[in-house]
Amino acid sequence: GENVEQHPSTLSVQEGDSAVIKCTYSDSASNYFPWYKQELGKGPQLIIDIRSNVGEKKDQRIAVTLNKTAKHFSLHITETQPEDSAVYFCAAPRPQGAQKLVFGQGTRLTINP
Amino acid sequence: GAGVSQSPSNKVTEKGKDVELRCDPISGHTALYWYRQSLGQGLEFLIYFQGNSAPDKSGLPSDRFSAERTGGSVSTLTIQRTQQEDSAVYLCASSLVVRGGGNTQYFGPGTRLTVL
Repeated sequence: GENVEQHPSTLSVQEGDSAVIKCTYSDSASNYFPWYKQELGKGPQLIIDIRSNVGEKKDQRIAVTLNKTAKHFSLHITETQPEDSAVYFCAAPRPQGAQKLVFGQGTRLTINP
Repeated sequence: GAGVSQSPSNKVTEKGKDVELRCDPISGHTALYWYRQSLGQGLEFLIYFQGNSAPDKSGLPSDRFSAERTGGSVSTLTIQRTQQEDSAVYLCASSLVVRGGGNTQYFGPGTRLTVL
């Protein structure tokens, strides 16, 4: 089945700097890669996603890049702000059921003022 | 509009008791998922409902866990004879079904279950 590895598990950056979180996946047929943000005491919320027919997608300070050959995708947050502090999860579809997702283990991002 | 809601938000129970957790998905979403999140961990898939199809129960950890979805809407996750290792946050998500996959899942706030 699909295996999703996420790194790093924790990340601390100075406010205003950039943060990058990387994920690798195993199934070359995977075609959809969402990123979720989970704040303390809340459920995960989708912040950006990318499909396999594009290599990069941006939404203001957030961007996701996809390298299908290497089977990895990354989340980039620029000009980080304290409210970016949260746990971030990447995901990829399960091969036997494209409607189901396999999630990475999460990255705890801390923005230091 | 209303998002996914879950109740209760917190549940404390004694070992050996049964518990029921409820999920109200977004209206019109035909797919519903249950996940378990242990402290500081990722999301562990439990069960998936899609329309009138038989549910995918491949993630349920034991036969003490079961779930129902009535009328294609509200779902209940039941844990019988709870054990301390069942303590976790139980998350529900719903989505539309996109042909070929790639559906966005919308999560509820979760139910924090503590088994004493």
